[in-house]
Amino acid sequence: GAVVSQHPSRVICKSGTSVKIECRSLDFQATTMFWYRQFPKQSLMLMATSNEGSKATYEQGVEKDKFLINHASLTLSTLTVTSAHPEDSSFYICSARDLRQGTNSPLHFGNGTRLTVT
Amino acid sequence: RKEVEQDPGPFNVPEGATVAFNCTYSNSASQSFFWYRQDCRKEPKLLMSVYSSGNEDGRFTAQLNRASQYISLLIRDSKLSDSATYLCVVRPDAGGTSYGKLTFGQGTILTVHP
Repeated sequence: GAVVSQHPSRVICKSGTSVKIECRSLDFQATTMFWYRQFPKQSLMLMATSNEGSKATYEQGVEKDKFLINHASLTLSTLTVTSAHPEDSSFYICSARDLRQGTNSPLHFGNGTRLTVT
Repeated sequence: RKEVEQDPGPFNVPEGATVAFNCTYSNSASQSFFWYRQDCRKEPKLLMSVYSSGNEDGRFTAQLNRASQYISLLIRDSKLSDSATYLCVVRPDAGGTSYGKLTFGQGTILTVHP
């Protein structure tokens, strides 16, 4: 079964509005979660690393004021796309590692959120 | 040069065929390697980790050649349900806060037909 839950799975919003996406680790604690984005026919690209209790780390070219990340608990990270525009339409996926599986354990992905900005 | 390169395909094979995917990575310090599969409009799901000695899981065999910085995936006796995009994934390093960062190849599309 799923170990990382993401909500909502699909959202359509109007340009200029904000959208919040939640990512939860279901049966393990995740001090770090990762937010990826995938445009059509392209690879997943890491946007930012969400750190519980501290600021997120953003990859080069990702605007931290536009993509707000909050990791307030050991099982929940949220990504808020502020003032969304059509070019933000994409597939957003969160992920986390269960460190109980070892230091080289793979990432578990949420089911993704397909954002469409009209 | 891309950090992880794959032949995008598509590969169209009949049921029962054997198909191989290749992948190269540019960072020689990379520590961990995986194959994920992604179905259309879904999240990636781990298919298998790739170990230095090579490893097999049922019909799937993964190989790693660190000297050549090359990873492969072999699928034997292809099934219709194997149709998906196969992602070669590399973890750049083992330590620090970046331990969860993964670099994805663009994926190889496989279609298995009756």
